[in-house]
Amino acid sequence: DAGITQSPRYKITETGRQVTLMCHQTWSHSYMFWYRQDLGHGLRLIYYSAAADITDKGEVPDGYVVSRSKTENFPLTLESATRSQTSVYFCASSPGPWHYEQYFGPGTRLTVT
Amino acid sequence: ELKVEQNPLFLSMQEGKNYTIYCNYSTTSDRLYWYRQDPGKSLESLFVLLSNGAVKQEGRLMASLDTKARLSTLHITAAVHDLSATYFCAACMNYGGSQGNLIFGKGTKLSVKP
Repeated sequence: DAGITQSPRYKITETGRQVTLMCHQTWSHSYMFWYRQDLGHGLRLIYYSAAADITDKGEVPDGYVVSRSKTENFPLTLESATRSQTSVYFCASSPGPWHYEQYFGPGTRLTVT
Repeated sequence: ELKVEQNPLFLSMQEGKNYTIYCNYSTTSDRLYWYRQDPGKSLESLFVLLSNGAVKQEGRLMASLDTKARLSTLHITAAVHDLSATYFCAACMNYGGSQGNLIFGKGTKLSVKP
């Protein structure tokens, strides 16, 4: 189906484990983003990518790693999960830079025990 | 540092009434976004405001931007239950030579009651 998808939708993991959240979009948008949403904080940008092989840090990048080898995919990896990374993670894509509309995926609810 | 403040954070309205949500931001931002989020769902883009004085309307919602006052408003006219959701505004922080970050407000949880 066309659009932006995330997997898994729900994930429970233990402290210290590595976790990868997947994001896939079918629009060939050049820009992709990862946000986390926490109660009381709204959404905060973790990393973004302007194109394949171009990534940059956002507001809260510590503890996360991203890659973008293909335009359509933008995985987010928690190298060693911590309880503070329990959150809802949203991926978004956009056809252009910041003044363009961003389209959000359905989200991944991650719980770190 | 760009900060975005929304108020109120919680809003309980009666159907048929009008109300305004305010979004203030602390430093220069030449664009402002409004999103809607239903419980357990993703964010849906409502409006993108790109210039001072911009006004956009969709149904019972109207958004405006005053870059000089660093203020955007989301006005709700004759509220209906279907408008119950959380509304977020986001401003764009511009780095020199960078694309900048979207900084979100904490959201306004709107509940429309009969």
